[in-house]
Amino acid sequence: AQRVTQPEKLLSVFKGAPVELKCNYSYSGSPELFWYVQYSRQRLQLLLRHISRESIKGFTADLNKGETSFHLKKPFAQEEDSAMYYCALSKSRSTDKLIFGTGTRLQVFP
Amino acid sequence: DAGVTQSPTHLIKTRGQQVTLRCSPKSGHDTVSWYQQALGQGPQFIFQYYEEEERQRGNFPDRFSGHQFPNYSSELNVNALLLGDSALYLCASSLAGGQGYTFGSGTRLTVV
Repeated sequence: AQRVTQPEKLLSVFKGAPVELKCNYSYSGSPELFWYVQYSRQRLQLLLRHISRESIKGFTADLNKGETSFHLKKPFAQEEDSAMYYCALSKSRSTDKLIFGTGTRLQVFP
Repeated sequence: DAGVTQSPTHLIKTRGQQVTLRCSPKSGHDTVSWYQQALGQGPQFIFQYYEEEERQRGNFPDRFSGHQFPNYSSELNVNALLLGDSALYLCASSLAGGQGYTFGSGTRLTVV
């Protein structure tokens, strides 16, 4: 079965601390993996995707096919990073349906 | 560019009633997907419309139906509402073969 697991509902860190939001997936094939972010009172928006291999707002995520993981990392958290983060996967086509995890709320304290 | 527009923003319905939610996609997008997000959960895929036809469907009962119009806008209809249908309904538009989704702000449906 296709599934995305985000084991942490809440992650709290202090400003400047490293952040790692965990995401594991199960999928029979080669999926596309995404991280979406929802800031307070804003709509869900794409943060990054594994095929782009880019760094957005200091965040990076590496797809580990052996561990079926796609953890989101940032070396130094900022207060403005506080938001809800969702990991999601889809089939190889970018506009195929998205399967989301339950989300992790990141709180960055000053 | 207004992005994805959804209406209404909030809605309260009584159990057993029917509801219609509306979505206007981002300019240039031709595909519309609907998601249900229950409290504390991630969005769950309901269905996707392209060229006025349902192209994919998630694990939702037939009470959930939709439509796409020639201008690419879309409606989500839910019949015989249950208390468990209370959720945030998200619309996402995309370009077929393109690079990902743009989400709307959602319609908050409360069934009492």
